[in-house]
Amino acid sequence: SQTIHQWPATLVQPVGSPLSLECTVEGTSNPNLYWYRQAAGRGLQLLFYSVGIGQISSEVPQNLSASRPQDWQFILSSKKLLLSDSGFYLCAWSPRTGFQPQHFGDGTRLSIL
Amino acid sequence: AQSVTQLDSQVPVFEEAPVELRCNYSSSVSVYLFWYVQYPNQGLQLLLKYLSGSTLVESINGFEAEFNKSQTSFHLRKPSVHISDTAEYFCAVSEGSSASKIIFGSGTRLSIRP
Repeated sequence: SQTIHQWPATLVQPVGSPLSLECTVEGTSNPNLYWYRQAAGRGLQLLFYSVGIGQISSEVPQNLSASRPQDWQFILSSKKLLLSDSGFYLCAWSPRTGFQPQHFGDGTRLSIL
Repeated sequence: AQSVTQLDSQVPVFEEAPVELRCNYSSSVSVYLFWYVQYPNQGLQLLLKYLSGSTLVESINGFEAEFNKSQTSFHLRKPSVHISDTAEYFCAVSEGSSASKIIFGSGTRLSIRP
């Protein structure tokens, strides 16, 4: 069966520090991968999605970037965090072929001080 | 462009009472519809989905949703709620693009009172 892992579960970082959140998917090949941000009391905002290694699409201009160095690995990064980057970050995957719903990891709660 | 509206940000109900969480969408093409549930400090879990076929879809824990094309709605219902149903519920829509992109509503927080 397929599983998705995100880490860390929680992270507290100072303003201006770098960020690296990792997401990995097991049990499937060539998945579509997604990063979302969920601000307090708000819905999900799609940040990035990827349909293959090195292929990244950005949905909103921001202080963040994403990379997919391996088929099963999706990384969310920032060189200098802002206070507005605080939130709950969720990674998700869906099968490449056909249309299927997305499956989510447990999320990373990021607090910027 | 597609969009999703969840009309109620919070819905308080008593245990064993019925509940309906409303969801309306807009799209110019055929859509796929979903309800996800999020328990505190967790990721989203797929509750049920409408891809095609019967317009009434059910989940394993007693929730159901009905796709109404004329009213562009996909309301979620349960005839009798339990304390364990306390969570945030997200309606979502996709036009089935190759990247399987999904647009989420802003969520409805369901709180169950004993």
